[in-house]
Amino acid sequence: GENVEQHPSTLSVQEGDSAVIKCTYSDSASNYFPWYKQELGKRPQLIIDIRSNVGEKKDQRIAVTLNKTAKHFSLHITETQPEDSAVYFCAAAEYGNKLVFGAGTILRVKS
Amino acid sequence: NAGVTQTPKFQVLKTGQSMTLQCAQDMNHNSMYWYRQDPGMGLRLIYYSASEGTTDKGEVPNGYNVSRLNKREFSLRLESAAPSQTSVYFCASSEANRGRAYGYTFGSGTRLTVV
Repeated sequence: GENVEQHPSTLSVQEGDSAVIKCTYSDSASNYFPWYKQELGKRPQLIIDIRSNVGEKKDQRIAVTLNKTAKHFSLHITETQPEDSAVYFCAAAEYGNKLVFGAGTILRVKS
Repeated sequence: NAGVTQTPKFQVLKTGQSMTLQCAQDMNHNSMYWYRQDPGMGLRLIYYSASEGTTDKGEVPNGYNVSRLNKREFSLRLESAAPSQTSVYFCASSEANRGRAYGYTFGSGTRLTVV
């Protein structure tokens, strides 16, 4: 089955700096890669996703890139703000739309 | 539009007790899922239901059973709770169809403690 590895496990940045979180996946058949943000005590919420026929997708300060050959994808957050502090999860969709999640990255934005 | 609703939000069980976690979605999604979340381990799939009338095991199904009652509702049952089942449980739904994946909408979670 699919295996997703996520790095780093924790990331501290200064407000206004950029943050990058990287994930690798094992199954070359996976074709959908969402990212979720989870604030403390809340549910995970979808913030951006990318399909395997696209190399990059942007939504305001957030972007995701996908390298199918290397089987890795990354989340980029620019001009970080304190409200970006949360746990971020990457995921890859196995056959049947079962999402396999990475272990998560705790992002702390220091003001 | 309520999205995905889970009950209860909190529960404390004694070892060996049973309980059912309820989940309902009002988005007319075909697929529903149960995940557990443990510190440092992300979200792990317990069971899923690709469509009404079907259920399948996920990564960590031992000690659990599920029922897809209808298109809206998907329940998770612990027959004999163990301390290892202490976790936060999330239900999710998706409009996934054959060959095309979609993101999940999650419920607010159930924090379960087994003592």
